[in-house]
Amino acid sequence: GENVEQHPSTLSVQEGDSAVIKCTYSDSASNYFPWYKQELGKRPQLIIDIRSNVGEKKDQRIAVTLNKTAKHFSLHITETQPEDSAVYFCAASGNEKLTFGTGTRLTIIP
Amino acid sequence: ETGVTQTPRHLVMGMTNKKSLKCEQHLGHNAMYWYKQSAKKPLELMFVYSLEERVENNSVPSRFSPECPNSSHLFLHLHTLQPEDSALYLCASSQEDQGGTYTGELFFGEGSRLTVL
Repeated sequence: GENVEQHPSTLSVQEGDSAVIKCTYSDSASNYFPWYKQELGKRPQLIIDIRSNVGEKKDQRIAVTLNKTAKHFSLHITETQPEDSAVYFCAASGNEKLTFGTGTRLTIIP
Repeated sequence: ETGVTQTPRHLVMGMTNKKSLKCEQHLGHNAMYWYKQSAKKPLELMFVYSLEERVENNSVPSRFSPECPNSSHLFLHLHTLQPEDSALYLCASSQEDQGGTYTGELFFGEGSRLTVL
């Protein structure tokens, strides 16, 4: 089955700086890569996703890049703000159900 | 009420108790899921129901028993649990295509925090 690894497990950045979270996947058949954000005590929510027919997708301060050859994808958050503090989960799916990474706890330092 | 709602939000039970978690989705989706969220572990998929039929059972112990009476409701029946089963149990729903590729956005509930004593 699919195996998704996510790094780092914790990340602290100064407000206004950029944050990057990286994930690798094992199944070359995977073709859908969403990112979920979970604020403290709240439900995970989809923030951005990418499919294997594109290499990059951007939505305001958030972008995701995909390298199919290397089987890795990354989340980029620019101009970080306090409300970006949360746990972020990457995931991958293709022929099987969605497999999640272990999560990255992002803390924005004011 | 909108989205995905779960009850109870918190549950404390002994190892010999029988209890149930309830999930209801108001989004008209055709697939529902149970996930287990433990500290420092990835979200673990437990069960998937598509069009009210169970299509996934990820080697979950039989002390967890799902039930999906219709496309809007999902239950997780709990019996003789172990302390290591203490976790946040998340219900989710999505709208999936006929091919069953499961690439639709997951809408999660707030979760049921379970503590087994």
